[in-house]
Amino acid sequence: DIQMTQSPSSLSASVGDRVTITCRASQGITNSLAWFQQKPGKAPNLLIFAASRLESGVPSRFSGSGSGTVYTLIISNLQPEDFATYYCQQYYTTPYTFGLGTRVEIK
Amino acid sequence: QVLLQQWGAGLLKPSETLSLTCAVSGGSFTGYSWTWIRQPPGKGLEWIGETDHTETKYNPSLKSRVTISVDTSKNHFSLSLRSVTAADTAVYYCARGIGSYWGQGTLVTVSS
Repeated sequence: DIQMTQSPSSLSASVGDRVTITCRASQGITNSLAWFQQKPGKAPNLLIFAASRLESGVPSRFSGSGSGTVYTLIISNLQPEDFATYYCQQYYTTPYTFGLGTRVEIK
Repeated sequence: QVLLQQWGAGLLKPSETLSLTCAVSGGSFTGYSWTWIRQPPGKGLEWIGETDHTETKYNPSLKSRVTISVDTSKNHFSLSLRSVTAADTAVYYCARGIGSYWGQGTLVTVSS
């Protein structure tokens, strides 16, 4: 299985901050990488697919980048509704695997 | 608007079989793959498997106990997980593809 190492596991930030979350795959995944946001008690919400493509309806303050084994989610100008847990997922090969998550908390 | 509505038993005893069904409305059914994912309480996400009704793929960690089936006449797909234990306690989600649309989730608790 491809291991997805996500960092940090948690962070504290303020409204307006720029937040960076990183995911490292144990092997190359050729941009087959998605980012999800999950709020307590809710299903995850797809933000980014193919490493950098914004899902329809997702605010442009979310962006993704990366290649090979290292991928990044950036949230610019953090908003109150962005405080949540974020997960990366590789879908290069089955079993598709997720990072352990990054909890973004209010500073 | 694509909608996934899931249902199934929420409380099971060890050794029983978990059965969940997901109904898809508002979009094409045969043009996509359909996925089951689970999340133990307070933990991360685990991909269980997916089907596009021509091919089905499973997580090897569960493969011996899992069946995902499809009923294209009803736009439904289902999950069966046999011989459950407490370790299978989780919120189970159905989803389209890698997760562009999700069901509401079903908490399945395994307890004697």
